[in-house]
Amino acid sequence: EAQVTQNPRYLITVTGKKLTVTCSQNMNHEYMSWYRQDPGLGLRQIYYSMNVEVTDKGDVPEGYKVSRKEKRNFPLILESPSPNQTSLYFCASSFLSATDTQYFGPGTRLTVL
Amino acid sequence: AQSVTQLGSHVSVSEGALVLLRCNYSSSVPPYLFWYVQYPNQGLQLLLKYTSAATLVKGINGFEAEFKKSETSFHLTKPSAHMSDAAEYFCAVSESGYNKLIFGAGTRLAVHP
Repeated sequence: EAQVTQNPRYLITVTGKKLTVTCSQNMNHEYMSWYRQDPGLGLRQIYYSMNVEVTDKGDVPEGYKVSRKEKRNFPLILESPSPNQTSLYFCASSFLSATDTQYFGPGTRLTVL
Repeated sequence: AQSVTQLGSHVSVSEGALVLLRCNYSSSVPPYLFWYVQYPNQGLQLLLKYTSAATLVKGINGFEAEFKKSETSFHLTKPSAHMSDAAEYFCAVSESGYNKLIFGAGTRLAVHP
């Protein structure tokens, strides 16, 4: 089954404790991205990747890191989480670019205390 | 710069009534426009997509949207609402050569008997 998977689905952590949210797709897609969803703000793009080893900032990259060492994986790293990063996070992938249909993961709900 | 405005954060309709969700965009070049739907506790999935082939775009579940360049609008409609249409709907815009996808704030659709 074609899909985007994210882990964990739910995470409660404390300020400053490094964490990684994994994202994996099995559709051989070139383009991958991370979004955060906050009430009243819709989805805002954090980072995106056009290909292996090619990543770039979205609209809200502060406090986040990403890497793309393999085509299928695109982990999101919070090296020192803060309460304002409490949010619902989505990973998405598409064939080549942002103009293609995005396939979304199920989401990761993160709470930073 | 690209932007998306969705008028009305909440829309409520009766079952069987017309659904109209409004989206206006800002783009300096011909845009790619999308409507995504998010059912409770799920990721987003594509409803429909405009890529300049036709101004009236038909999507899944009986939804359609019309691209109006003069009004910079891409409103989503469905002639007859069903209870299963209750969800949050997001309009999004991108451009060829622009690697970001910009979402609106979303419209939550409620359908009552």
